[in-house]
Amino acid sequence: GIQVEQSPPDLILQEGANSTLRCNFSDSVNNLQWFHQNPWGQLINLFYIPSGTKQNGRLSATTVATERYSLLYISSSQTTDSGVYFCAVLLSNDYKLSFGAGTTVTVRA
Amino acid sequence: ETGVTQSPTHLIKTRGQQVTLRCSSQSGHNTVSWYQQALGQGPQFIFQYYREEENGRGNFPPRFSGLQFPNYSSELNVNALELDDSALYLCASSLRGVQETQYFGPGTRLLVL
Repeated sequence: GIQVEQSPPDLILQEGANSTLRCNFSDSVNNLQWFHQNPWGQLINLFYIPSGTKQNGRLSATTVATERYSLLYISSSQTTDSGVYFCAVLLSNDYKLSFGAGTTVTVRA
Repeated sequence: ETGVTQSPTHLIKTRGQQVTLRCSSQSGHNTVSWYQQALGQGPQFIFQYYREEENGRGNFPPRFSGLQFPNYSSELNVNALELDDSALYLCASSLRGVQETQYFGPGTRLLVL
């Protein structure tokens, strides 16, 4: 099956810092989503981004499908950004999202 | 627009028992997928239901089964519970054929003792 690798596994930031999370995948994909899992376990959709660049407030994401990677940028981080960030991909003609192991982000005040 | 809901939020069972988890899909969605998330790991796909039929299945034994109802809500049933079944169970809904973005519910935390 497809391999989804996220880096770094852990990230500790000071409030106000910027950061970049990376997701590499081993095959062509039809869909790529970024999620933020809060401490209660809820997976919150951040981006649906099979290719190109999108921005939503302090967050932005870029997927380079031809090179099989995606980046999530967090700018001016806040303590509420803490949690686990997951990248998940969907292969063409497939039905299941394949998740990476996640990046645990801790933002300190 | 109503989001994805799941019940119950928490559940404690003993080994060998059976459990049923429930999910109501987001309004307008016709597809429901179930995932299991063990502590410290990413979610793993269990199966997907579309038009009341199982549409695909991950690497889970037959004691994991499900249903989808005409209103697109869904149940996940697990028989003969094992300690390793302790996990967060997530339900996701999507609109098949339009955009495959999946939206997740808050999850059910199952503890098997």
